[in-house]
Amino acid sequence: DAGITQSPRHKVTETGTPVTLRCHQTENHRYMYWYRQDPGHGLRLIHYSYGVKDTDKGEVSDGYSVSRSKTEDFLLTLESATSSQTSVYFCAISESRTGADTQYFGPGTRLTVL
Amino acid sequence: AQSVSQHNHHVILSEAASLELGCNYSYGGTVNLFWYVQYPGQHLQLLLKYFSGDPLVKGIKGFEAEFIKSKFSFNLRKPSVQWSDTAEYFCAVKDSSYKLIFGSGTRLLVRP
Repeated sequence: DAGITQSPRHKVTETGTPVTLRCHQTENHRYMYWYRQDPGHGLRLIHYSYGVKDTDKGEVSDGYSVSRSKTEDFLLTLESATSSQTSVYFCAISESRTGADTQYFGPGTRLTVL
Repeated sequence: AQSVSQHNHHVILSEAASLELGCNYSYGGTVNLFWYVQYPGQHLQLLLKYFSGDPLVKGIKGFEAEFIKSKFSFNLRKPSVQWSDTAEYFCAVKDSSYKLIFGSGTRLLVRP
């Protein structure tokens, strides 16, 4: 398995509170991604990073921000959590973005917003 | 924008039955295709991928998939399923935008 950890693994929070999820990799891969997984939707890309301090939006970026100050860490922040952000969040990494390159996924964080 | 359709949302099979899960993507050009599996409570793992060459791709655990360009399809097959294949299966496509687009997934339940 790729060396990807996510923390926390489970979190319950209240509407309106800020939440930060952390993804840590030991593979020194350039690209990192945040997805959310919801029933009936598969995985949808929130944001991705192509290097330290280089990030871009994905398909469902509203309400989320990201930061990458080190190659190994990619943080996802919900500035003011809403119930619609209840989901399972997966981090992924890849060496490049070419077509054949594979993304490897972390174990996920289950977030519940009450 | 590219989209991926997995028509079977839930599949129930008995052990030793053959499996075929459908996957279609919306438009052509150069694409790279992936099947991932998610076992209960676990993260996604790569089963197999196609990027060029032989359209019949063999993956781990006896799975294979066939890329049919004319049908925009990349169906997953296994000749004889086991109880341990119970999982959710996701098809994904990467096109010239290099973004990975996932289908909605197929939940497979294999009865012993």
